Order: sequence, then C-alpha cells, then structure tokens
Amino acid sequence: NAGVTQTPKFRILKIGQSMTLQCTQDMNHNYMYWYRQDPGMGLKLIYYSVGAGITDKGEVPNGYNVSRSTTEDFPLRLELAAPSQTSVYFCASRDTGSSYNSPLHFGNGTRLTVT
Amino acid sequence: KNQVEQSPQSLIILEGKNCTLQCNYTVSPFSNLRWYKQDTGRGPVSLTIMTFSENTKSNGRYTATLDADTKQSSLHITASQLSDSASYICVVSFGLNFGNEKLTFGTGTRLTIIP
Repeated sequence: NAGVTQTPKFRILKIGQSMTLQCTQDMNHNYMYWYRQDPGMGLKLIYYSVGAGITDKGEVPNGYNVSRSTTEDFPLRLELAAPSQTSVYFCASRDTGSSYNSPLHFGNGTRLTVT
Repeated sequence: KNQVEQSPQSLIILEGKNCTLQCNYTVSPFSNLRWYKQDTGRGPVSLTIMTFSENTKSNGRYTATLDADTKQSSLHITASQLSDSASYICVVSFGLNFGNEKLTFGTGTRLTIIP
C-alpha cells in the first residue's frame, strides 16, 4: 500500500493564482483531513470529510475549498492565493470503522509559497 | 480554551543518552493522547496512544506516560539513536462523539541527536 499520497511536493504561486493540492489514499479509509502546518504552530484543521460526498469546515477554512467525490480522493482548492496561505499542507486519513482510537495516517506534505 | 503545550521547544543530546519530552494539556472532555514522530520533510507518524485509564505504555525504546489528574504526559526515549532526530508532536483528542472527535495539536519538540 502506498498510504496517503500528496502532489505536488513543492509549489510557488503568485498572489491571486489558483491551484489544487491533490491527495489520494489506498487504505479505504472513510475519514480524510486537510491540515496546514506553520512554523512554531500546531497543525490546524482546514477541512475534513467523513465519507464520499460529505465535507465540513475545520478551524481555518477561509480561502479554501474541498470536494470528496470518491473514497480515495480529497483535493484541496485554493482559489485566490494570498501570502497568508504560505504553509506546508498535510492530507491525512483515518479508519474509524475498526477502532475508536485509530491514528491519523499522513501524507508527506505539499510546501506552498505564495509571493 | 483547549490547549496543548510541549516542552522543551528543542533539545540536543548525544547519541546513546536518554531524554524526556513533556506535554501538558487543558483539553476537556479528554478522550485520548497520542504521540507522533515527524521526520524532516515527512508527515507525522503515530508512535503510541494513551487512553484515560493508561498510565504507562512502551513501544520499543519509547515509553509514554499519562497522568490524567494533572493533565500531563511524557515521552521518554531510551538509548537515543541518530534516527530519533525528529519533531515529536503531542495530540490530544477530545469530545464524546465516536469518529468525530476534535484534535488539538501541540507545537512539537525538535529533538536532535548528535554523534
């Protein structure tokens, strides 16, 4: 199993551009998440999904959108990039079907710079 | 306000030495506490989970403790190796609804092992 795969690994955007961060998982997990990690801060939840067709906002959703058309894929869309969105973005998945205490499985992140 | 604080922020020790990382939380209602290891340029990986009734749990050279009364946890690393160089993140889960728990992430301790 590849686990959680994120693409691209790195990206530089100009202010006002848009892009989609891709995330796919091959573990058949129902829950998926997007986090951002800023220097000196704990990971912050942007959006999450409890299954195909269902998404919900996290702590810091402004400036982002998501969709979940399949169990495997959970892309994150930035419509009008701003310097405040410079961060490392992590996608994660979790199997809540087998254990209440199941861990998050993270991808290796996308490092985004907006200039 | 739900908070997770970790100390120290960074730590440098010689290979072969032991160390202890601390995590204090004010999360309520407490569900569980998990320690993750994050290598540079990678996503976090779960090391161990502590539930309310557990005091100590070991995973190889890693031993986690939990004092639910004082809301403190520690991660002790024995006989450190160069591969232990990483950030260690404490994550506390709170909430009462299965599968929809909220997570609060600490800012991590950056551990560097020198030969």
